[in-house]
Amino acid sequence: AQRVTQPEKLLSVFKGAPVELKCNYSYSGSPELFWYVQYSRQRLQLLLRHISRESIKGFTADLNKGETSFHLKKPFAQEEDSAMYYCALRPQGAQKLVFGQGTRLTINP
Amino acid sequence: DGGITQSPKYLFRKEGQNVTLSCEQNLNHDAMYWYRQDPGQGLRLIYYSQIVNDFQKGDIAEGYSVSREKKESFPLTVTSAQKNPTAFYLCASSPAPGNTIYFGEGSWLTVV
Repeated sequence: AQRVTQPEKLLSVFKGAPVELKCNYSYSGSPELFWYVQYSRQRLQLLLRHISRESIKGFTADLNKGETSFHLKKPFAQEEDSAMYYCALRPQGAQKLVFGQGTRLTINP
Repeated sequence: DGGITQSPKYLFRKEGQNVTLSCEQNLNHDAMYWYRQDPGQGLRLIYYSQIVNDFQKGDIAEGYSVSREKKESFPLTVTSAQKNPTAFYLCASSPAPGNTIYFGEGSWLTVV
């Protein structure tokens, strides 16, 4: 079965500090990985997907198949980055997403 | 701005009553989904539908039912058989298999 684990429920860093939100997955095939973000009073929205290999709002994430990880990183955190972050996996050929438990990121001024 | 509309936003019901949550999308998306969000557990898939008149159970379908009579609508009924119905429910849609999934704003259901 597929599984996504986000080991940190809460993460707090200071503005300007680097931030890394961890995501590990369990899946035997070739997954598609995503990061979704939910800002306060807004709907859940896609932040980035690994196949795009892009940087959104300064965030990047690299798929490491050897470590089965897809950690989200940003070199300099900003206060507006405070939100709930979910890592998600789409099994090969499937439409559904399997989500992790989420990490609440708080950026302190 | 259109997109995916869920209603009502907040709903209170007495234990033992069935309740239906509405989800409408004007994005012409083929696929629609219902997720349940509980604190500390992330999002869990209840049901999904790839096309009209077709739907499949997700990971936690027990106590729920859906219908997909129209492309733009995917209502979720929370039945009295659902043991812990109090939760935040999210509807989502995507254009086609493999495409980005977009979410509605959610509906809070409280059963007392």
